[in-house]
Amino acid sequence: DAKTTQPTSMDCAEGRAANLPCNHSTISGNEYVYWYRQIHSQGPQYIIHGLKNNETNEMASLIITEDRKSSTLILPHATLRDTAVYYCIVRSSYDKVIFGPGTSLSVIP
Amino acid sequence: GAVVSQHPSRVICKSGTSVKIECRSLDFQATTMFWYRQFPKQSLMLMATSNEGSKATYEQGVEKDKFLINHASLTLSTLTVTSAHPEDSSFYICSADWRQGPDTQYFGPGTRLTVL
Repeated sequence: DAKTTQPTSMDCAEGRAANLPCNHSTISGNEYVYWYRQIHSQGPQYIIHGLKNNETNEMASLIITEDRKSSTLILPHATLRDTAVYYCIVRSSYDKVIFGPGTSLSVIP
Repeated sequence: GAVVSQHPSRVICKSGTSVKIECRSLDFQATTMFWYRQFPKQSLMLMATSNEGSKATYEQGVEKDKFLINHASLTLSTLTVTSAHPEDSSFYICSADWRQGPDTQYFGPGTRLTVL
Protein backbone atom coordinates (compact mmCIF):
# COMPACT_ATOMS: atom_id res chain seq x y z
CA ASP A 1 0.00 0.00 0.00
CA ALA A 2 1.14 3.54 -0.70
CA LYS A 3 1.95 5.43 2.46
CA THR A 4 0.88 8.90 3.42
CA THR A 5 2.42 11.55 5.61
CA GLN A 6 0.36 14.10 7.49
CA PRO A 7 1.17 16.70 10.11
CA THR A 8 0.63 15.37 13.61
CA SER A 9 -1.62 18.21 14.69
CA MET A 10 -3.16 21.47 13.51
CA ASP A 11 -5.25 24.25 14.96
CA CYS A 12 -7.95 26.20 13.18
CA ALA A 13 -10.08 29.13 14.30
CA GLU A 14 -13.80 28.49 14.36
CA GLY A 15 -15.47 29.77 11.19
CA ARG A 16 -12.28 29.73 9.17
CA ALA A 17 -11.30 27.22 6.54
CA ALA A 18 -9.29 24.24 7.73
CA ASN A 19 -6.74 23.03 5.19
CA LEU A 20 -5.30 19.61 5.98
CA PRO A 21 -2.37 18.51 3.82
CA CYS A 22 -1.35 14.99 2.90
CA ASN A 23 1.66 13.70 0.99
CA HIS A 24 1.41 10.46 -0.94
CA SER A 25 4.37 10.49 -3.30
CA THR A 26 4.27 6.75 -4.03
CA ILE A 27 0.59 6.55 -4.97
CA SER A 28 -0.06 4.22 -7.88
CA GLY A 29 -2.36 4.79 -10.82
CA ASN A 30 -5.32 2.79 -9.56
CA GLU A 31 -5.26 4.14 -6.01
CA TYR A 32 -7.69 6.72 -4.73
CA VAL A 33 -7.14 9.30 -2.02
CA TYR A 34 -9.63 8.80 0.81
CA TRP A 35 -10.26 10.96 3.84
CA TYR A 36 -11.88 9.80 7.05
CA ARG A 37 -12.20 11.41 10.42
CA GLN A 38 -12.67 10.06 13.90
CA ILE A 39 -14.26 12.08 16.62
CA HIS A 40 -13.19 11.01 20.08
CA SER A 41 -14.50 7.56 21.09
CA GLN A 42 -16.52 7.10 17.91
CA GLY A 43 -16.05 5.01 14.78
CA PRO A 44 -14.37 6.58 11.74
CA GLN A 45 -16.53 8.60 9.37
CA TYR A 46 -16.04 8.75 5.62
CA ILE A 47 -15.55 12.31 4.34
CA ILE A 48 -14.60 12.26 0.68
CA HIS A 49 -12.43 10.55 -1.88
CA GLY A 50 -10.97 11.24 -5.30
CA LEU A 51 -8.76 9.83 -8.01
CA LYS A 52 -7.26 12.82 -9.81
CA ASN A 53 -9.94 15.48 -10.13
CA ASN A 54 -10.88 17.83 -7.35
CA GLU A 55 -13.98 16.75 -5.50
CA THR A 56 -16.54 18.53 -3.35
CA ASN A 57 -19.43 17.30 -1.25
CA GLU A 58 -21.52 18.65 1.57
CA MET A 59 -18.77 18.07 4.09
CA ALA A 60 -15.54 19.10 2.39
CA SER A 61 -13.49 19.68 -0.71
CA LEU A 62 -10.55 17.60 -1.85
CA ILE A 63 -7.81 19.16 -3.92
CA ILE A 64 -5.39 16.72 -5.57
CA THR A 65 -2.24 17.99 -7.26
CA GLU A 66 -1.76 17.26 -10.92
CA ASP A 67 1.04 14.78 -10.24
CA ARG A 68 -1.18 13.17 -7.54
CA LYS A 69 1.67 13.19 -5.06
CA SER A 70 -0.17 15.31 -2.55
CA SER A 71 -3.63 16.49 -1.65
CA THR A 72 -5.44 18.89 0.66
CA LEU A 73 -8.71 18.39 2.47
CA ILE A 74 -10.59 21.63 2.98
CA LEU A 75 -13.30 22.14 5.56
CA PRO A 76 -14.68 25.50 4.38
CA HIS A 77 -16.09 26.82 7.66
CA ALA A 78 -14.73 24.83 10.57
CA THR A 79 -16.93 24.39 13.63
CA LEU A 80 -16.11 23.03 17.08
CA ARG A 81 -17.73 19.77 16.03
CA ASP A 82 -15.03 19.33 13.38
CA THR A 83 -12.44 18.73 16.10
CA ALA A 84 -11.26 15.20 15.33
CA VAL A 85 -8.41 13.10 13.97
CA TYR A 86 -8.34 13.21 10.18
CA TYR A 87 -6.91 10.30 8.25
CA CYS A 88 -5.64 10.49 4.67
CA ILE A 89 -5.48 7.05 3.10
CA VAL A 90 -4.56 5.89 -0.37
CA ARG A 91 -6.00 2.62 -1.56
CA SER A 92 -7.72 0.89 -4.41
CA SER A 93 -11.51 0.98 -4.17
CA TYR A 94 -11.98 -2.48 -2.74
CA ASP A 95 -8.89 -2.67 -0.58
CA LYS A 96 -9.04 -2.83 3.18
CA VAL A 97 -8.51 0.45 4.98
CA ILE A 98 -5.15 0.78 6.72
CA PHE A 99 -4.94 3.77 9.03
CA GLY A 100 -1.86 5.88 9.69
CA PRO A 101 -1.50 8.24 12.65
CA GLY A 102 -3.56 11.01 11.02
CA THR A 103 -3.77 14.72 11.87
CA SER A 104 -5.37 15.84 15.10
CA LEU A 105 -7.36 18.96 14.23
CA SER A 106 -8.40 21.26 17.02
CA VAL A 107 -10.97 23.93 16.17
CA ILE A 108 -10.55 26.82 18.55
CA PRO A 109 -13.39 29.19 19.53
CA GLY B 1 -27.30 5.08 3.72
CA ALA B 2 -25.27 2.18 5.00
CA VAL B 3 -25.50 1.71 8.77
CA VAL B 4 -23.31 -0.57 10.82
CA SER B 5 -24.07 -1.26 14.46
CA GLN B 6 -22.06 -2.86 17.23
CA HIS B 7 -23.22 -4.48 20.43
CA PRO B 8 -22.46 -3.93 23.18
CA SER B 9 -21.16 -0.36 23.11
CA ARG B 10 -19.34 -0.90 26.39
CA VAL B 11 -18.45 -4.04 28.30
CA ILE B 12 -16.55 -4.68 31.50
CA CYS B 13 -15.43 -8.18 32.31
CA LYS B 14 -13.20 -10.04 34.70
CA SER B 15 -9.81 -11.35 33.68
CA GLY B 16 -10.04 -14.87 32.26
CA THR B 17 -13.55 -14.58 30.89
CA SER B 18 -14.57 -14.43 27.23
CA VAL B 19 -16.40 -11.55 25.62
CA LYS B 20 -18.36 -11.54 22.38
CA ILE B 21 -18.81 -8.40 20.30
CA GLU B 22 -21.35 -8.25 17.48
CA CYS B 23 -21.12 -6.25 14.29
CA ARG B 24 -24.23 -5.92 12.15
CA SER B 25 -24.91 -4.31 8.81
CA LEU B 26 -28.44 -3.01 9.28
CA ASP B 27 -29.61 -2.17 5.78
CA PHE B 28 -27.26 -4.01 3.48
CA GLN B 29 -25.52 -7.32 3.10
CA ALA B 30 -21.78 -7.53 3.58
CA THR B 31 -19.76 -10.50 2.43
CA THR B 32 -16.70 -8.93 4.01
CA MET B 33 -16.30 -7.23 7.35
CA PHE B 34 -13.19 -5.99 9.10
CA TRP B 35 -12.19 -5.80 12.75
CA TYR B 36 -9.93 -3.10 14.19
CA ARG B 37 -8.49 -2.40 17.62
CA GLN B 38 -7.54 1.01 18.94
CA PHE B 39 -5.53 1.73 22.07
CA PRO B 40 -5.70 5.15 23.73
CA LYS B 41 -4.06 7.94 21.72
CA GLN B 42 -3.20 5.52 18.92
CA SER B 43 -4.55 4.90 15.46
CA LEU B 44 -6.80 2.03 14.44
CA MET B 45 -5.00 -1.24 13.84
CA LEU B 46 -6.53 -3.77 11.49
CA MET B 47 -6.86 -7.14 13.20
CA ALA B 48 -8.59 -9.35 10.67
CA THR B 49 -10.78 -9.64 7.62
CA SER B 50 -14.00 -11.56 8.16
CA ASN B 51 -15.51 -13.33 5.17
CA GLU B 52 -19.03 -14.73 5.21
CA GLY B 53 -18.98 -18.51 5.17
CA SER B 54 -15.22 -18.91 5.42
CA LYS B 55 -12.38 -18.51 7.84
CA ALA B 56 -11.18 -15.07 8.80
CA THR B 57 -7.84 -13.76 7.60
CA TYR B 58 -5.75 -12.38 10.43
CA GLU B 59 -3.11 -9.67 10.20
CA GLN B 60 0.42 -10.49 11.24
CA GLY B 61 0.85 -10.60 14.99
CA VAL B 62 -2.84 -11.12 15.80
CA GLU B 63 -3.55 -14.38 17.60
CA LYS B 64 -6.37 -16.20 15.85
CA ASP B 65 -7.04 -18.45 18.86
CA LYS B 66 -7.31 -15.40 21.08
CA PHE B 67 -9.61 -13.40 18.84
CA LEU B 68 -12.22 -15.71 17.36
CA ILE B 69 -14.15 -14.33 14.42
CA ASN B 70 -17.36 -15.78 13.05
CA HIS B 71 -19.17 -14.40 10.01
CA ALA B 72 -22.14 -16.73 9.83
CA SER B 73 -24.48 -14.51 7.86
CA LEU B 74 -24.31 -11.63 5.41
CA THR B 75 -25.30 -9.15 8.10
CA LEU B 76 -23.48 -10.37 11.19
CA SER B 77 -19.88 -10.87 12.22
CA THR B 78 -18.81 -11.59 15.78
CA LEU B 79 -15.49 -11.13 17.52
CA THR B 80 -14.90 -13.17 20.66
CA VAL B 81 -12.02 -12.18 22.90
CA THR B 82 -11.16 -15.39 24.70
CA SER B 83 -9.60 -15.53 28.16
CA ALA B 84 -9.46 -11.77 28.26
CA HIS B 85 -6.68 -10.03 30.15
CA PRO B 86 -6.26 -6.36 31.11
CA GLU B 87 -3.97 -5.79 28.13
CA ASP B 88 -6.91 -6.67 25.87
CA SER B 89 -8.73 -3.60 27.13
CA SER B 90 -9.23 -1.49 24.03
CA PHE B 91 -11.71 0.09 21.64
CA TYR B 92 -12.85 -2.48 19.06
CA ILE B 93 -14.32 -1.22 15.78
CA CYS B 94 -15.77 -3.14 12.87
CA SER B 95 -16.44 -2.09 9.31
CA ALA B 96 -18.50 -3.63 6.57
CA ASP B 97 -17.89 -3.72 2.87
CA TRP B 98 -20.73 -2.24 0.78
CA ARG B 99 -20.02 -1.30 -2.78
CA GLN B 100 -23.03 0.77 -3.65
CA GLY B 101 -22.29 3.98 -1.81
CA PRO B 102 -19.70 6.74 -2.23
CA ASP B 103 -17.27 4.65 -0.23
CA THR B 104 -16.87 0.92 0.17
CA GLN B 105 -16.22 0.72 3.90
CA TYR B 106 -18.73 1.67 6.57
CA PHE B 107 -17.65 1.72 10.18
CA GLY B 108 -19.49 0.81 13.33
CA PRO B 109 -19.55 3.04 16.41
CA GLY B 110 -17.08 0.86 18.33
CA THR B 111 -17.12 -1.24 21.50
CA ARG B 112 -15.17 -0.21 24.58
CA LEU B 113 -13.82 -3.31 26.35
CA THR B 114 -12.42 -3.02 29.85
CA VAL B 115 -10.91 -6.11 31.44
CA LEU B 116 -10.46 -5.94 35.19
